[in-house]
Amino acid sequence: AQRVTQPEKLLSVFKGAPVELKCNYSYSGSPELFWYVQYSRQRLQLLLRHISRESIKGFTADLNKGETSFHLKKPFAQEEDSAMYYCALSDPGGTSYGKLTFGQGTILTVHP
Amino acid sequence: DGGITQSPKYLFRKEGQNVTLSCEQNLNHDAMYWYRQDPGQGLRLIYYSQIVNDFQKGDIAEGYSVSREKKESFPLTVTSAQKNPTAFYLCASSFRGNYGYTFGSGTRLTVV
Repeated sequence: AQRVTQPEKLLSVFKGAPVELKCNYSYSGSPELFWYVQYSRQRLQLLLRHISRESIKGFTADLNKGETSFHLKKPFAQEEDSAMYYCALSDPGGTSYGKLTFGQGTILTVHP
Repeated sequence: DGGITQSPKYLFRKEGQNVTLSCEQNLNHDAMYWYRQDPGQGLRLIYYSQIVNDFQKGDIAEGYSVSREKKESFPLTVTSAQKNPTAFYLCASSFRGNYGYTFGSGTRLTVV
């Protein structure tokens, strides 16, 4: 069964410091990986997906199949990055077509 | 707030009662999903539907039921068989095979 693990429930950094939110997954095929974010009093929304290889709000994430990881990184954290972050995985072609499996989430707090 | 609407925002239920949570979308999305969000456990999938009149159980379907009679609507019933129903419930929708979900604002259910 596919599984997503975010080992840190809470992560605190100071403004301007680098930040890395960890995500590990277990899946035997070729997964699609995503990061979703939920800012205070806002809806959960897609931040980025690995196949797009894009940078959103300064965040990037690289899929490392050898380590089965998809860590989210930003070189200089901003206070507005404070939010709950979820890593998610989907099977693009198997029996679980069309559903995402989410991790436990990490609450990021960026201090001034 | 457009796109996907969940109601009510807050719901109180007495033990032994069934309650139904509403989810409506006007995005012409094929697929709809129900997740349960608990602190420290992330989002767990309850049910999902790829097309009208068809739905699949997720990871924690016991004690819940759904219907998909219209493309726009995917109501969730929390039955008296659900042992721990107090939680935050999130509905989402997407085009089939697209994992860029659009989430609703959620319903907080409390059993009193």
